[in-house]
Amino acid sequence: DSGVTQTPKHLITATGQRVTLRCSPRSGDLSVYWYQQSLDQGLQFLIQYYNGEERAKGNILERFSAQQFPDLHSELNLSSLELGDSALYFCASSSSGPRGGELFFGEGSRLTVL
Amino acid sequence: GEDVEQSLFLSVREGDSSVINCTYTDSSSTYLYWYKQEPGAGLQLLTYIFSNMDMKQDQRLTVLLNKKDKHLSLRIADTQTGDSAIYFCAEISDTGGFKTIFGAGTRLFVKA
Repeated sequence: DSGVTQTPKHLITATGQRVTLRCSPRSGDLSVYWYQQSLDQGLQFLIQYYNGEERAKGNILERFSAQQFPDLHSELNLSSLELGDSALYFCASSSSGPRGGELFFGEGSRLTVL
Repeated sequence: GEDVEQSLFLSVREGDSSVINCTYTDSSSTYLYWYKQEPGAGLQLLTYIFSNMDMKQDQRLTVLLNKKDKHLSLRIADTQTGDSAIYFCAEISDTGGFKTIFGAGTRLFVKA
């Protein structure tokens, strides 16, 4: 158990819909990262937050947004969903500050868009 | 640019050594990492190497780093069926903010 909790574990929805994925980092970790894992794209970095502030951005679509709340949990919002958004979305946290370090991953949220 | 490349599949027999290779692009990476993903689970840090080291050994694991060629390898000695997993190479890139960039992952199959 990494200490990182993601909900929901599985989600099935239709094209055009909007979903929210939730992540609770390890106790004390200020950094939260979101990654998308798909068969054809591998593990893609989406976005990083440190203590509530966005610190780094990767290949995150404009239809996707995220935030980190004062209690340090984070949410990833995916809107106008397309079939290609079907993937495993991972949250990771780190205690190493905004410059990286060991990442602790949750078990992921598997999104299926029909 | 930032890119980490790995071969996608490796198949070995139980008891043999496995070597997983990776190339990276960001020469400023202070640490380079190997993560392991078992079926249905998230990634877990397996080992890491500091960029001023050439080699690091940790029980059955040996990490070799060639900074000149930006090449990283992970050797697993006496590979067991329990080692079957996806292995990800990762670097920390500071382009557009510090972030950990992963390769696509190498799926290791261990045949009994």
